Amino acid sequence: EIVLTQSPATLSLSPGERATLSCRASQNIHRYLAWYQQKPGQAPRLLIYDASKRATGIPARFSGSGSGTDFTLTISSLESEDFAVYYCQHRSDWPIFGPGTKVDIK
Amino acid sequence: QVQLQESGPGLVRPSGTLSLTCDVSGGSISSLNWWTWVRQTPGKGLEWIGEIYHSGSTKYNPSLKSRVAISVDKSKNQFSLKLTSMTAADTGVYYCAKIVHYLDSWGQGTLVTVSS
Repeated sequence: EIVLTQSPATLSLSPGERATLSCRASQNIHRYLAWYQQKPGQAPRLLIYDASKRATGIPARFSGSGSGTDFTLTISSLESEDFAVYYCQHRSDWPIFGPGTKVDIK
Repeated sequence: QVQLQESGPGLVRPSGTLSLTCDVSGGSISSLNWWTWVRQTPGKGLEWIGEIYHSGSTKYNPSLKSRVAISVDKSKNQFSLKLTSMTAADTGVYYCAKIVHYLDSWGQGTLVTVSS
């Protein structure tokens, strides 16, 4: 069974700074990885799929990269609405999620 | 974009059965997608429960399979979840969503608490 790990658990940054979040898979998952953003009291929202494709309506400051076992979500310049929890997800036999990275205000 | 809305009781007794419904609007449940239930609990984070195709084909999380049933009602454009033998560990927010390989449309979620 594939396991996803995310690092760091918490990332404390200021608005305008660059955020780099990591997701590592326990096996080669090629480019079959998605990233979601979740704000308090809301459902997760799909940001990135197939490792680097932005979902509909997602701003260009969000970008994804990676393949195989190592993946990165980059937010080029944090805006106030970007402080949230971010999850990675892969579907093997079923969808599995990482534990999340919280991006909070420094 | 399709919209989803969960409904059902927010409180379930221990050993009881959870019943939730997801209403789909802005699109047909008979489209080429699977429809899924995901929950978010303090103990396990985001956890896939299972999914259904409009034909009635289902897939379930092996860890929950003995307790889960998902069904579809095409006439009402909705699908439903039943989870039996509820315990405190099942307390959390339950979401319905549309899925291909990724979950691109979600309901707002409904909080389910297991308590006597």
